[in-house]
Amino acid sequence: QVQLVQSGAEVKKPGASVKVSCKASGYTFTSYGVSWVRQAPGQGLEWMGWITVYNGNTNYAQHLQGRVTMTTDPSTSTAYMELRSLRSDDTAVYYCARRLRQLGFDQYSLDVWGQGTTVTVSS
Amino acid sequence: QSALTQPRSVSGSPGQSVTISCTGTSSDVGYYKYVSWYQHHPGKAPKLMIYDVSERPSGVPDRFSGSKSGNTASLTISGLQAEDEADYYCCSYAGYSTLVFGGGTKLTVL
Repeated sequence: QVQLVQSGAEVKKPGASVKVSCKASGYTFTSYGVSWVRQAPGQGLEWMGWITVYNGNTNYAQHLQGRVTMTTDPSTSTAYMELRSLRSDDTAVYYCARRLRQLGFDQYSLDVWGQGTTVTVSS
Repeated sequence: QSALTQPRSVSGSPGQSVTISCTGTSSDVGYYKYVSWYQHHPGKAPKLMIYDVSERPSGVPDRFSGSKSGNTASLTISGLQAEDEADYYCCSYAGYSTLVFGGGTKLTVL
């Protein structure tokens, strides 16, 4: 079945970087985009950005520009999200999600989600 | 862009209907037909319930419906069931290949 499986929980110090992975299975990885969404404790969902897998094009949320990088490795059907210069308010559950695709076009919804990766930033 | 505005909580009894609103601006909800809704049970992955304002993915019960008027989108859940109790988030395309989520609404089934 179609699924996204994310890497395990991380604990980082302020100023460090974290790289979360998201391994896809059950579908053609290069045919769909991958988005990243996070949820801080007690807060709502926050869109971070997405990557078009077949050509590597990315779009990031403005407030994360310069700190986030999304990449993929089609050979292993894995997407990655790296966040640098971590701060305490980056503590959150990070989700990867597949971009819905219909009639050969990327849509603006996310139809398959990973299980989430908890990233804790603490000194 | 600013988060879309949702009520913090709504409630209803089993069998009743509830509607969750999602207010944006003329630059997101009001301009594009790309509003989606997600159901999120704490500790689990969010689930797509509605896309493109009113389309249901396969497997989502027809008790869930979506609509939009002006800058406000709505999710209606009819025939409430205990398992519908969850957090619900709206999301809209906001131009320049970006998305914006709402703050989330906690649905309590009484």
